[in-house]
Amino acid sequence: DAMVIQNPRYQVTQFGKPVTLSCSQTLNHNVMYWYQQKSSQAPKLLFHYYDKDFNNEADTPDNFQSRRPNTSFCFLDIRSPGLGDAAMYLCATSRQVGFEKLFFGSGTQLSVL
Amino acid sequence: QQQVKQSPQSLIVQKGGISIINCAYENTAFDYFPWYQQFPGKGPALLIAIRPDVSEKKEGRFTISFNKSAKQFSLHIMDSQPGDSATYFCAASPDSGAGSYQLTFGKGTKLSVIP
Repeated sequence: DAMVIQNPRYQVTQFGKPVTLSCSQTLNHNVMYWYQQKSSQAPKLLFHYYDKDFNNEADTPDNFQSRRPNTSFCFLDIRSPGLGDAAMYLCATSRQVGFEKLFFGSGTQLSVL
Repeated sequence: QQQVKQSPQSLIVQKGGISIINCAYENTAFDYFPWYQQFPGKGPALLIAIRPDVSEKKEGRFTISFNKSAKQFSLHIMDSQPGDSATYFCAASPDSGAGSYQLTFGKGTKLSVIP
């Protein structure tokens, strides 16, 4: 009954080789978020979509891009992964913004060789 | 101004004991204070949340205490169980306007409950 599904669970890529992570949701929520979480650290927001409106955090590197082709799906593209991009990437959704419960997926653990 | 400071970084509690995790914030625009629980290899899950119009909220064994004047809030886990062993994140966000989508997380507390 997973509501926010991330694939793959583990992803290994080579330094500089583009990689795409995917997220789907069955909740029909308006807002989708991508967070980066490094080991023993808090999740860090990269960007979010309110419906089709894309909102990039000021300190999110240009190397990170996102697409949301429809309500259910959202993708995180890392154009040229560096060693520092190795992390857990978490997708989350909420009905609206503000005072809203976030529903997280189980994450994709990205390794960069 | 955007930081949420969380302590302790790690906590070991005996089964049946009380676990207490503290958070402090500076931004007076923060108006929503959730706690998330994260098990290894999983995404965080909302545990309990509070708004500053109340000083305490209880759900089962979990209680949030909120002190608006001190800009502090804490999570108390009563009768702690080994199954509570996880990392706990406090967070805060404004209620509206620019930034209301933005949850600012604390750095997390790794709780270990030993039998």
